[in-house]
Amino acid sequence: AQSVAQPEDQVNVAEGNPLTVKCTYSVSGNPYLFWYVQYPNRGLQFLLKYITGDNLVKGSYGFEAEFNKSQTSFHLKKPSALVSDSALYFCAVRDPYGNNRLAFGKGNQVVVIP
Amino acid sequence: KAGVTQTPRYLIKTRGQQVTLSCSPISGHRSVSWYQQTPGQGLQFLFEYFSETQRNKGNFPGRFSGRQFSNSRSEMNVSTLELGDSALYLCASSLEVADYNEQFFGPGTRLTVL
Repeated sequence: AQSVAQPEDQVNVAEGNPLTVKCTYSVSGNPYLFWYVQYPNRGLQFLLKYITGDNLVKGSYGFEAEFNKSQTSFHLKKPSALVSDSALYFCAVRDPYGNNRLAFGKGNQVVVIP
Repeated sequence: KAGVTQTPRYLIKTRGQQVTLSCSPISGHRSVSWYQQTPGQGLQFLFEYFSETQRNKGNFPGRFSGRQFSNSRSEMNVSTLELGDSALYLCASSLEVADYNEQFFGPGTRLTVL
């Protein structure tokens, strides 16, 4: 079964510093990977995806993610964090067997300290 | 384009009752998926509908059911509510099934079972 792991519960970073949120995956076949962000009392908001092609994927709000096949990782990055980036971040992998089912990681709470 | 809408946003029920949640996908989207989000279990896939047919079902008891109408709107129903059903229920829509497009999530319905 497809799965992703987000090893850290919370990531604290000072405003202006680089932000990294880690994700590793386990899939059979080609991975279809996604990052979503959730603000309090809101649904999930799409940030970016990796389907195929370049290993560095650029997404919304200055976020990017690096796909690393040998390390089975898909870490989310932002060069300079903002206080408004404080939220819950989810990594997800899509089921490749003909449907849109997503398996999510447990989520990482990101706290950007002013 | 309007986003995914879910009604109601908040719901309070008592054990043993049943509940129906509604989801209207983005115009033109034909795939609708449902997810349950709880602090303990995280985000878990419930089911996916496409062209009024259930394409995939998660590991939930038969008390959880859903359907999709010809206009792609979807409902999910939970019968004989239990305390553990208290959760945020998220609906997501996508253009097609088994494609490379991301899913767009609604704001969710917060269900509290007393």
